[in-house]
Amino acid sequence: GAVVSQHPSWVICKSGTSVKIECRSLDFQATTMFWYRQFPKQSLMLMATSNEGSKATYEQGVEKDKFLINHASLTLSTLTVTSAHPEDSSFYICSAREPRGGQGYEQYFGPGTRLTVT
Amino acid sequence: SQKIEQNSEALNIQEGKTATLTCNYTNYSPAYLQWYRQDPGRGPVFLLLIRENEKEKRKERLKVTFDTTLKQSLFHITASQPADSATYLCALAGGGADGLTFGKGTHLIIQP
Repeated sequence: GAVVSQHPSWVICKSGTSVKIECRSLDFQATTMFWYRQFPKQSLMLMATSNEGSKATYEQGVEKDKFLINHASLTLSTLTVTSAHPEDSSFYICSAREPRGGQGYEQYFGPGTRLTVT
Repeated sequence: SQKIEQNSEALNIQEGKTATLTCNYTNYSPAYLQWYRQDPGRGPVFLLLIRENEKEKRKERLKVTFDTTLKQSLFHITASQPADSATYLCALAGGGADGLTFGKGTHLIIQP
């Protein structure tokens, strides 16, 4: 099956600093990647849709200037949390969509990145 | 607003029995519905996708039904095993390039 990796798997940073998280599709090309956030005992919440070669589309309530997304190639999308604060501490998960003509669009998820802001 | 409800926070099932998980949704007309498994501290793992014009889908010990009139999907694991213990997430999508809307998940515990 399709494999998606994330790096780093966990990161601790100080309040006010920026953190970059990478998401890679390892064995397929992904024109579309998605970024989700999950707080403890909560469901995954879609933050933004990342399209290769164009600007990301952000969900309502997600600050695009705080969560910078870059999808520079068909296998890599990055999420940068700028000026991180403790309330940004969460589990960030990316997914990539591998279209299979006419059968729907399964999304393959990365293992997630645990961000802790102190 | 769109809402997805999954039947309970924890479901205890005896090993060997069939586990049935429920996903109900409101204010939504999804093009397809997906089920994922999530283990603690890990990303979701895709299990099954069922389209709006399909009634049932099977994969090994897994079976999913989709009733667009009732706005409900049922997820069944037959001959359940302790290794099936995990949180199972229901997710909906409108189609095309949409991201997924997830339910909170049902924590399934298979007891030996």
